[in-house]
Amino acid sequence: AAGVIQSPRHLIKEKRETATLKCYPIPRHDTVYWYQQGPGQDPQFLISFYEKMQSDKGSIPDRFSAQQFSDYHSELNMSSLELGDSALYFCASSVELGTSGLDTQYFGPGTRLTVL
Amino acid sequence: DQQVKQNSPSLSVQEGRISILNCDYTNSMFDYFLWYKKYPAEGPTFLISISSIKDKNEDGRFTVFLNKSAKHLSLHIVPSQPGDSAVYFCAARPSNFGNEKLTFGTGTRLTIIP
Repeated sequence: AAGVIQSPRHLIKEKRETATLKCYPIPRHDTVYWYQQGPGQDPQFLISFYEKMQSDKGSIPDRFSAQQFSDYHSELNMSSLELGDSALYFCASSVELGTSGLDTQYFGPGTRLTVL
Repeated sequence: DQQVKQNSPSLSVQEGRISILNCDYTNSMFDYFLWYKKYPAEGPTFLISISSIKDKNEDGRFTVFLNKSAKHLSLHIVPSQPGDSAVYFCAARPSNFGNEKLTFGTGTRLTIIP
C-alpha cells in the first residue's frame, strides 16, 4: 500500500540558510500534518492543512511557513535556519472516515535536518 | 506542560512474555487515543487506537485498554517478539472534529530479550 513520502530524507544546511521539505500524502488523503521531533523528545505539532487550507497551527516559528497544493502535497519552508532547528520533521496524512470525526494519521519516514 | 505522559522511558521484557506499556493524560478533552511504534530512522507506524466509548480494543497480539475515569491507557503485547523492540508513543486527540492534531507522550523504549 502507498505510504506517505517525504523528501529529502536528509538535509544539511548552514545557519541562516533556507530549507524546503516536501510531503506527498497517501492517495485520497485530504489532510496533512507537520510535526517536529527534537533529539530525545516527543513529536511536536507544527501545522496542518485540510483541503489546501490551514486547519490548525501549533508551535511553528514565524520563520517557517507551509502550504498544501492542489495535488494535496505539502511543503514546509524554513528560513533563517538556527542550530535549534536541527530535528526530525515528520509529515502525516489522514482522511476522515464517515461522520465519526475519527481519523488515523499515517506518518512518513521523516526528514532529518541538520543545521551547522 | 506534558498533557500525555509515559512515565517509563524504557522497559525490558523476555521474549514470549507480556509487554505492558502505560500512558496517562491530563486533558479531559482527549477521547481518541492511538499507539505508534517507531524504529530508528523511520516514521511512527500506527499500531492500534481506541475511542472513549470503548474500554478495550484488540488487534492480534496488541490490546489497548482505556480507563477514562483514571485518564489512563495501556498497551499490551502478548506474546512479545524480538521485532517488537522499538520506541512506543502514546498519542491523544479530541474526537469531536476530524483533522485534529495529535499530542504525543515522550515514548517508552521497549526491548525484547531473546
